[in-house]
Amino acid sequence: KQEVTQIPAALSVPEGENLVLNCSFTDSAIYNLQWFRQDPGKGLTSLLLIQSSQREQTSGRLNASLDKSSGRSTLYIAASQPGDSATYLCAVAGSNYKLTFGKGTLLTVNP
Amino acid sequence: NAGVTQTPKFRVLKTGQSMTLLCAQDMNHEYMYWYRQDPGMGLRLIHYSVGEGTTAKGEVPDGYNVSRLKKQNFLLGLESAAPSQTSVYFCASREGGFEEQYFGPGTRLTVT
Repeated sequence: KQEVTQIPAALSVPEGENLVLNCSFTDSAIYNLQWFRQDPGKGLTSLLLIQSSQREQTSGRLNASLDKSSGRSTLYIAASQPGDSATYLCAVAGSNYKLTFGKGTLLTVNP
Repeated sequence: NAGVTQTPKFRVLKTGQSMTLLCAQDMNHEYMYWYRQDPGMGLRLIHYSVGEGTTAKGEVPDGYNVSRLKKQNFLLGLESAAPSQTSVYFCASREGGFEEQYFGPGTRLTVT
C-alpha cells in the first residue's frame, strides 16, 4: 500500500527566505506527483504536476523536483512571502487512477 | 468556467437524518472523486467514478453511497448520518486517469 510522508509537519520562516518542503513515498511505481496548496477553510489548489518521466517542474517562484527511484519529491519556494502561508500537500498517482495524499506541511511566513 | 462546485457549503444534521451532497464540474472530466478531510487523518477517498454511470469504492466507503447519472455531476449520499461523519467533504475531478486533479471548495458537515 502506498504511503506518503511529508516532513516537516510545520515550518515557520521569515519573509524573503528560500525554503524546501519534502515529500516521500514508499512505492516508486507512480505515474505522477502533484503538489497542492490549501488555505484555511478552503479547497485544494493545484500548484505543480510532475509526470513520472520528468525530473522537475517550475511555476514562478515554485520549483518541484521528483526522484522516482528514491521515492522523493521536493517543493522549493524562492523568496517566500506572507501570502505563501498555507498548508502544502503532495499526492502521488498510482496505477489505480487514485491519488494518495500526504498529511501536509503547514507553512507560516512571518513578515 | 466555474470549475468544480459543491452544494451546500455548510450543513448541520441530526443523527439518523439523510442528505445528499452535490458535486458539479463544467470541464467535461471523466474522473470524479469524493474525499473527506479530518484533522490528523489527511484526505481519505470515499468513492470515485471513472465515467458516467460508473462508481467504485475508495478507502472509507462505509455509510456513504454515490451516483453518477450525468457526466458532470457526482452525488454523495448519507442515508443515516452518524457523528463520525462530521467532516469536511471535498469533491475533485480530472480529465484522464493521470491528469491534473481539480478540487471543489468543500462542504463542512456537522452531525449532532
